[in-house]
Amino acid sequence: DQQVKQNSPSLSVQEGRISILNCDYTNSMFDYFLWYKKYPAEGPTFLISISSIKDKNEDGRFTVFLNKSAKHLSLHIVPSQPGDSAVYFCAATRDQGGKLIFGQGTELSVKP
Amino acid sequence: SAVISQKPSRDICQRGTSLTIQCQVDSQVTMMFWYRQQPGQSLTLIATANQGSEATYESGFVIDKFPISRPNLTFSTLTVSNMSPEDSSIYLCSVEGAVTQETQYFGPGTRLLVL
Repeated sequence: DQQVKQNSPSLSVQEGRISILNCDYTNSMFDYFLWYKKYPAEGPTFLISISSIKDKNEDGRFTVFLNKSAKHLSLHIVPSQPGDSAVYFCAATRDQGGKLIFGQGTELSVKP
Repeated sequence: SAVISQKPSRDICQRGTSLTIQCQVDSQVTMMFWYRQQPGQSLTLIATANQGSEATYESGFVIDKFPISRPNLTFSTLTVSNMSPEDSSIYLCSVEGAVTQETQYFGPGTRLLVL
């Protein structure tokens, strides 16, 4: 049972445009959501997170939106840069300090 | 965030052998986690390791196959025992954040290929 799903395995965007990565979850008990970026041969790097009490969190070019009623979150990157090309994982957790449940990842390619 | 290192960074092993992966953190942390990423798959938690207690394993993972040590607050090891080609994966350790416990920070991973 895949509790966290990223239905788009890949996304290609032109430099300077907006990248929107989507994530759906099934467990309504999740109360914290995170996005990680992963380059080849490296570990995932924490990008941005959001608590279930919020619907938006912004950090520079990165904004995460949470729609609890739809059990959906999205990551917006604007403007997109070639260095943003990586695999992006969304993750969710329901306990403080508990395990993270990851989606399958979306490979973002930002073309110059 | 904590600085996390793993050894080895990669290895090629023969089936039936065992490999111990080390994870070192530059600060004291209560909880450390071990994940596996199989080829083309997402990250899956193997176990949670607290210092001074037995590791807690997730469904589908057992101590005999993946013994874990946590001798102090900055170090942990994961052993992949009696390896088969299905164990070929990236193995990652992570630690909880100092400010926000829900956030985890990952090491660079160990790429394992079992022949």
